[in-house]
Amino acid sequence: EDKVVQSPLSLVVHEGDTVTLNCSYEVTNFRSLLWYKQEKKAPTFLFMLTSSGIEKKSGRLSSILDKKELFSILNITATQTGDSAIYLCAVGSRDTGTASKLTFGTGTRLQVTL
Amino acid sequence: NAGVMQNPRHLVRRRGQEARLRCSPMKGHSHVYWYRQLPEEGLKFMVYLQKENIIDESGMPKERFSAEFPKEGPSILRIQQVVRGDSAAYFCASSPVSGANVLTFGAGSRLTVL
Repeated sequence: EDKVVQSPLSLVVHEGDTVTLNCSYEVTNFRSLLWYKQEKKAPTFLFMLTSSGIEKKSGRLSSILDKKELFSILNITATQTGDSAIYLCAVGSRDTGTASKLTFGTGTRLQVTL
Repeated sequence: NAGVMQNPRHLVRRRGQEARLRCSPMKGHSHVYWYRQLPEEGLKFMVYLQKENIIDESGMPKERFSAEFPKEGPSILRIQQVVRGDSAAYFCASSPVSGANVLTFGAGSRLTVL
């Protein structure tokens, strides 16, 4: 069974800090790894990673994938209170055929305080 | 572009009643996925549908749960004879093509069973 483990489970930081969120996975026939941000509404897409070692960047957020060690990290620099959310990591497998059946981790709850 | 629309946002049912959750995919998307999020757990895949077809229902409980995506109208997730363990957030997602890993999620329907 495919498995995604995120750490830490929760994190409290001060505004301006830099945080690193971790995601490790076990999946047969890896296809892609995705990061979503979940506030009190729809999970919103952040990044999709398919290749090792290529950093994806969007503003203060960046992410990278290591397919050899089976993990990804999500970095947030100069955190703001608006970054407070649950960050979800998900993995897609080629075994799903035409279905986009993603396996999600339980998420990392980030709280950014003033 | 209205995004993925789910309703109701909150639904309260007594044990033994039926719950119907609706999902309208994003404009131009013909593939719909339902995920369930139990407290303190990650999103778990339930079912993948295209118009008038169930493609993958490997995550659906064997009894009491059903899903449809008719030719006209929203996708519906139906839970018959609800039990307390069905209390969860049910998220719908859509994609424009099959095999697309980037899913767009709705805001979810939170079901509470008394």
